Parts: sequence; C-alpha cells; structure tokens
Amino acid sequence: GAVVSQHPSRVICKSGTSVKIECRSLDFQATTMFWYRQFPKQSLMLMATSNEGSKATYEQGVEKDKFLINHASLTLSTLTVTSAHPEDSSFYICSARDRGHGGYTFGSGTRLTVV
Amino acid sequence: KQEVTQIPAALSVPEGENLVLNCSFTDSAIYNLQWFRQDPGKGLTSLLLIQSSQREQTSGRLNASLDKSSGRSTLYIAASQPGDSATYLCAVKESNFGNEKLTFGTGTRLTIIP
Repeated sequence: GAVVSQHPSRVICKSGTSVKIECRSLDFQATTMFWYRQFPKQSLMLMATSNEGSKATYEQGVEKDKFLINHASLTLSTLTVTSAHPEDSSFYICSARDRGHGGYTFGSGTRLTVV
Repeated sequence: KQEVTQIPAALSVPEGENLVLNCSFTDSAIYNLQWFRQDPGKGLTSLLLIQSSQREQTSGRLNASLDKSSGRSTLYIAASQPGDSATYLCAVKESNFGNEKLTFGTGTRLTIIP
C-alpha cells in the first residue's frame, strides 16, 4: 500500500530557530500533499495544501511566512517552521493522496517542542 | 461549512464486546468518508474508505457504514481486543475536483479493558 514517510519524528529546538520537517511519498507520486497540525486531545486542523511545482495554499489564519512549504518534487514536501516560538509546539502531520487508492495516507507525525 | 462530529468522545468497553462508533456530518454532499485510527503520539492509519455511492465497507473485524442522506457513518468493531485501544477519527472529503480538503471529526478515544 501507499506509504508516506515523515521525518523527524521528534525535534526540540530553541526559540527563534527554524525547523524543517520532511514528508516523502515512498511508492507513489503525490502532486498534492497536505500539512496538518494537532493540539493535544484535539483533532487535525489543515494548515496548508502543498502543490508540486507551485505555491502552497494556506488555510485561513495560518501565517505563510512562518510556515514555509516547499514541494519541489512529486515525492517530497517540506514544512519549515521559521523563528519558532513555544506556542508553535505541536504535533505536525503530513498526508498525500494516492490517486490509485483514492484515500489519504498519513505520515507518522512530528512532535515539535520549542523551548 | 462542513462540520464533523463524533460521539462519544471517549468509550471504555470490556474485551470481547462488539461496539459502534458514530460520525455525523452537516453537509451530505460528500465525495467519500474515511475512518482512521491514531495511536498516542503517532500518525494516522487508514482503516476503511467509503465512497459516496457505497453503503458499507468491511475489513476483518471492522465494518463501516455510510448513510449520506442523513449525514451519518458508523464504525462497527466486532470482538474487541486490547490492541484496538486508540483514537478513532472519521474524515469527509467534499469533492474530487478542485478541493481535496479533508474535514476531520473530533475523534473517539477507545479503551478496551482486558
């Protein structure tokens, strides 16, 4: 089945630094990938839709200059949290749609802690 | 705006029992509905995908039904096991073209008591 690999699984960074999270589709091509954020005991909230070769589409309220998304190839999308602050601490999950299957496959998530 | 609700928010049942998780959505014009499980601190694992034209899907001890007109879906788990303990999320996709956004429910945290 379709597999999405997300790295790192955990990262701790200092306030003011930037962190990059990678999301790779391992056995299928993903023209579109999605980035979600999940707060403790809450559901997933879509942050942005990443389109290969074009600009990402951000959901209302998400700062595009803070959460930089790059989708340079059909198998890789990256989310960079710039100038991270403690309030950015959260669980970030990416997903991609396997057009053959029709459903969405999710990465294993990244736990970001900003200290 | 589509809203997806899952009831109950948490459920504890003894091992071996059958159980039903509920998912409701406000806009019945959906393309498909997907059930996921999420273990603590982990990503999502897809369980079942139901297209809007389908009534149900089955995989092993899991059976998901869809009643699009009433805006409801259920996930039935037969003969529950401790390994079924997780948070279960349903998500709807509203269209296939131009909008690939999934709207997630609030989740049901399931605990199977050995």
